Amino acid sequence: DAMVIQNPRYQVTQFGKPVTLSCSQTLNHNVMYWYQQKSSQAPKLLFHYYDKDFNNEADTPDNFQSRRPNTSFCFLDIRSPGLGDAAMYLCATSRDRGVHQPQHFGDGTRLSIL
Amino acid sequence: AQKITQTQPGMFVQEKEAVTLDCTYDTSDPSYGLFWYKQPSSGEMIFLIYQGSYDQQNATEGRYSLNFQKARKSANLVISASQLGDSAMYFCAMREGSTGFQKLVFGTGTRLLVSP
Repeated sequence: DAMVIQNPRYQVTQFGKPVTLSCSQTLNHNVMYWYQQKSSQAPKLLFHYYDKDFNNEADTPDNFQSRRPNTSFCFLDIRSPGLGDAAMYLCATSRDRGVHQPQHFGDGTRLSIL
Repeated sequence: AQKITQTQPGMFVQEKEAVTLDCTYDTSDPSYGLFWYKQPSSGEMIFLIYQGSYDQQNATEGRYSLNFQKARKSANLVISASQLGDSAMYFCAMREGSTGFQKLVFGTGTRLLVSP
């Protein structure tokens, strides 16, 4: 029962070529998150949506954008990927933003930049 | 100051033995949640167990239990009867809750290797 689904699992793009990663959920959760995880590091929150309300982290580069057209789907757009953007990108959801709510993650998309 | 500290970069355990992964945290917020996640080499992040700051009892989920010592600000994960499939990176994480949205803060992780 896949509940948070990320596509594709692996994405290769060229330096500077826009790329979109997708995430869908069957949990009907209100909150969706995007994390970036580089090798041997902890995940780093990029932004999250609380319903339709977009919340950007202060240190997220402008190169990263997100869209949430409906409750089930959320997209991560990287407008001009650089070599430093090669990483695992993890999507997560939670029922709400309460401190007690666990976040449920997808399998991730591993992004490579040529 | 680090909010979540995992002092063990790597741990080794033999199959069927128990292992404890250490986690200490730092907060002055009375309301917080502590989480453990498992990340195999394939990359997915799997939620294991949760402990709330007001919970009186230690959380348990199958072979996982959380040794919560509030006064010492520690939340160690205990895995009983280790299996080969437990080999993975384990992250401790915390979320504080009294003032608006607080993001989930992760420790640096502990890599567990279970040997036959």
